[in-house]
Amino acid sequence: GNSVTQMEGPVTLSEEAFLTINCTYTATGYPSLFWYVQYPGEGLQLLLKATKADDKGSNKGFEATYRKETTSFHLEKGSVQVSDSAVYFCALSPNYGGSQGNLIFGKGTKLSVKP
Amino acid sequence: DAGVTQSPTHLIKTRGQQVTLRCSPISGHKSVSWYQQVLGQGPQFIFQYYEKEERGRGNFPDRFSARQFPNYSSELNVNALLLGDSALYLCASSVGTGASNEQFFGPGTRLTVL
Repeated sequence: GNSVTQMEGPVTLSEEAFLTINCTYTATGYPSLFWYVQYPGEGLQLLLKATKADDKGSNKGFEATYRKETTSFHLEKGSVQVSDSAVYFCALSPNYGGSQGNLIFGKGTKLSVKP
Repeated sequence: DAGVTQSPTHLIKTRGQQVTLRCSPISGHKSVSWYQQVLGQGPQFIFQYYEKEERGRGNFPDRFSARQFPNYSSELNVNALLLGDSALYLCASSVGTGASNEQFFGPGTRLTVL
């Protein structure tokens, strides 16, 4: 079946540190891949997405590349800020069958950035 | 433009009761999906509706049901509540149902079952 596995948190970094949050997936075919972010006290927001192999999604300094060969979609940012503290969710959406368009989420990774 | 709205914000029920949650999508969006987010976990898909028809259903018991109205708003009903139904219920809307469609989430309804 379809599933998403992302690195366990919490992750604590100092401001300006490099961030990587690992995400791997299991799916048939070519799903669309997403990173959503949930800031404290707020709802889920789309951070970035990629819809085909080798696509790179980017937004607000965050990047992730759709790697079909390793079934991965790791989230990276070169220099994190305190305002990036949030919970990050990796998700996939199958592109076929009865599950098409449904989001399947990982468990989330809580990031805390210290000044 | 208004985002996805949900009501109520919070709800407290006792075991065995029934609850109805409401969602209004972004104007122009015809698809509504419902997710359950238990504390500390990622959201789990419950239902997707498009043009008033059910397009997908997650692995939830028949106590969970939903519908979509002609104005594309939606209701999620849960019967015979259990303690384990306590969660944040999220509604998301999108233009269509394709895999690449961005889903926009509402703030959620926090349900507590005592």
